[in-house]
Amino acid sequence: DVKVTQSSRYLVKRTGEKVFLECVQDMDHENMFWYRQDPGLGLRLIYFSYDVKMKEKGDIPEGYSVSREKKERFSLILESASTNQTSMYLCASSYGLAGRWSTDTQYFGPGTRLTVL
Amino acid sequence: GESVGLHLPTLSVQEGDNSIINCAYSNSASDYFIWYKQESGKGPQFIIDIRSNMDKRQGQRVTVLLNKTVKHLSLQIAATQPGDSAVYFCAENKGTGNQFYFGTGTSLTVIP
Repeated sequence: DVKVTQSSRYLVKRTGEKVFLECVQDMDHENMFWYRQDPGLGLRLIYFSYDVKMKEKGDIPEGYSVSREKKERFSLILESASTNQTSMYLCASSYGLAGRWSTDTQYFGPGTRLTVL
Repeated sequence: GESVGLHLPTLSVQEGDNSIINCAYSNSASDYFIWYKQESGKGPQFIIDIRSNMDKRQGQRVTVLLNKTVKHLSLQIAATQPGDSAVYFCAENKGTGNQFYFGTGTSLTVIP
């Protein structure tokens, strides 16, 4: 079975703090994704990566950055957390082909519920 | 922009009955669709998928139907059980790489 893990289930941070959310997958997947999920809005793509050290902006990248130094790990960084970044953050991965487009199933982690005070 | 939507935000069914959850999509170029189940406090869990060259696909107690003519997708759950209570949402491949549009979800409640 595919396993996607996220470093924290719940996180509380203060406005202005730098926040790191970590995601690890154990299936040697090429593609990894970060989403945020808010009531009534569904999942919105923040950033994704289809290869190590590669990243692409999703629909709502503002206020976020990402890092993918190793294939199995994809980090989401909030440079200066704000209250409007309070949300559920979901990481996903899919098989893919390195550096190429694919339409593979995405498998999700359990999510990190971030609260910014 | 193009989006995925759902006909009903909530659905209640009696245990043992069949459930049907619907999804409308607007991107005619989409060629791959996934249904996810999300239980409270958990991440989305893959249920079943279907590609556009198919009209129907069956899994264990679940069936997905795709009607490309009217851009409609449905998830049928047979003999619904209390453990099926969750939010279900569909995802539509954007047709430009491994990115998806996600619906907001339908909340299914199974009444014992």
